Amino acid sequence: SQTIHQWPATLVQPVGSPLSLECTVEGTSNPNLYWYRQAAGRGLQLLFYSVGIGQISSEVPQNLSASRPQDRQFILSSKKLLLSDSGFYLCAWSVRVGRVGNEQFFGPGTRLTVL
Amino acid sequence: AQSVTQPDIHITVSEGASLELRCNYSYGATPYLFWYVQSPGQGLQLLLKYFSGDTLVQGIKGFEAEFKRSQSSFNLRKPSVHWSDAAEYFCAVRLESAGNMLTFGGGTRLMVKP
Repeated sequence: SQTIHQWPATLVQPVGSPLSLECTVEGTSNPNLYWYRQAAGRGLQLLFYSVGIGQISSEVPQNLSASRPQDRQFILSSKKLLLSDSGFYLCAWSVRVGRVGNEQFFGPGTRLTVL
Repeated sequence: AQSVTQPDIHITVSEGASLELRCNYSYGATPYLFWYVQSPGQGLQLLLKYFSGDTLVQGIKGFEAEFKRSQSSFNLRKPSVHWSDAAEYFCAVRLESAGNMLTFGGGTRLMVKP
């Protein structure tokens, strides 16, 4: 069966520090991968998605970046965190696009607090 | 612009009472429709989905949802709520033309009174 992991689960970082959040998927190949952010009391905002190694699409311009160095690994990074980067970050995967509407499967999330 | 609306930000129901969470979308074509549930501090779990066919779909945990094309709605229902159902619920839609991109509603937080 497929599983999705995120780490760390919780992170507290000072403003201006770098960030690296990791997401890995097991039990599937060639998945689509997604990063979402959920700010307090708000819905989900899609940040990045990837359809393959090295292929990243950004939905919202900001100081975050994403990379996909391996087929089942998706990394969210920042060189300098802002207070507004605080939130709950969710990674998700789905089967590659087909005619069927494929659902997305979510990881457990990372709670980031920037102080 | 495409949008998904969950009109109720918070809902409180008594345990054992029935529940209906509303979801409306604005798209020209019939989208693929999903309901997810999120417990505090957790990721999202898929409750049910609608692609085509029978407009009343059954999901996990006793939930069901009905797609009504005329009302552009996909409301989530449960006949008898349990305390463990307290969570945040998200409606999401996907257009076939949009690849596998989901657009989420703002969420509805459900509280259950004993």
